[in-house]
Amino acid sequence: QAVLTQPASLSASPGASASLTCTLRSGINVGTYRIYWYQQKPGSPPQYLLRFKSDSDNQQGSGVPSRFSGSKDASANAGILLISGLQSEDEADYYCMIWHSSAWVFGGGTKLTVL
Amino acid sequence: EVQVVESGGGLVQPGRSLRLSCTTSGFTFGDYAMNWVRQAPGKGLEWVGFIRSRPYGGTTEYAASVKGRFTISRDDSKSIAYLQMNSLKTEDTAVYYCTRAWDPVAFDIWGQGTMVTVSS
Repeated sequence: QAVLTQPASLSASPGASASLTCTLRSGINVGTYRIYWYQQKPGSPPQYLLRFKSDSDNQQGSGVPSRFSGSKDASANAGILLISGLQSEDEADYYCMIWHSSAWVFGGGTKLTVL
Repeated sequence: EVQVVESGGGLVQPGRSLRLSCTTSGFTFGDYAMNWVRQAPGKGLEWVGFIRSRPYGGTTEYAASVKGRFTISRDDSKSIAYLQMNSLKTEDTAVYYCTRAWDPVAFDIWGQGTMVTVSS
């Protein structure tokens, strides 16, 4: 089982909100991890969005709109990237990442379609 | 301006070697661990490895898929990180990115990457 699992795809309408999940493998407690989120558009390198561990330990990337926010769902053992007021420009691949067992681990990515 | 620029990619035959460079500017290079991340065509991001900053020992960690074949080094006097890739395999074909980390900051700056194609 992968350390981080992301749904392969998600679709949402312009103006709506999209909740992208990053589920940690059973036995790895989401509460103890900082979760990092990246956006990647076709043909471009990834861009850092934000990191979230708790309400007191989080950071928004420079220039990243407040429409992007992070949270956790402890019951689902998952990190969440919430994008509100979806815009066509938000259509991209989104990756989560954690530091685990002396290695950086990426999720498989979620392709977000805005239509 | 804070930036990283990767170079050194190209077409190489299986079993051969290649060295990538990551030239940085705009920040105190010696404060940061430098990481390499790759992305195979049409695939997701895969962390390759990193080298800690000298205050943290300058030691390295690698993904299992490259351990024993790839070596990361750094030249703090030039603000450059390197990725030496030996015994290359076709599955190493990817765009290679370098990026920085200094707890709790991680991978906030990315270059455009450099393409490595391993093929006969």
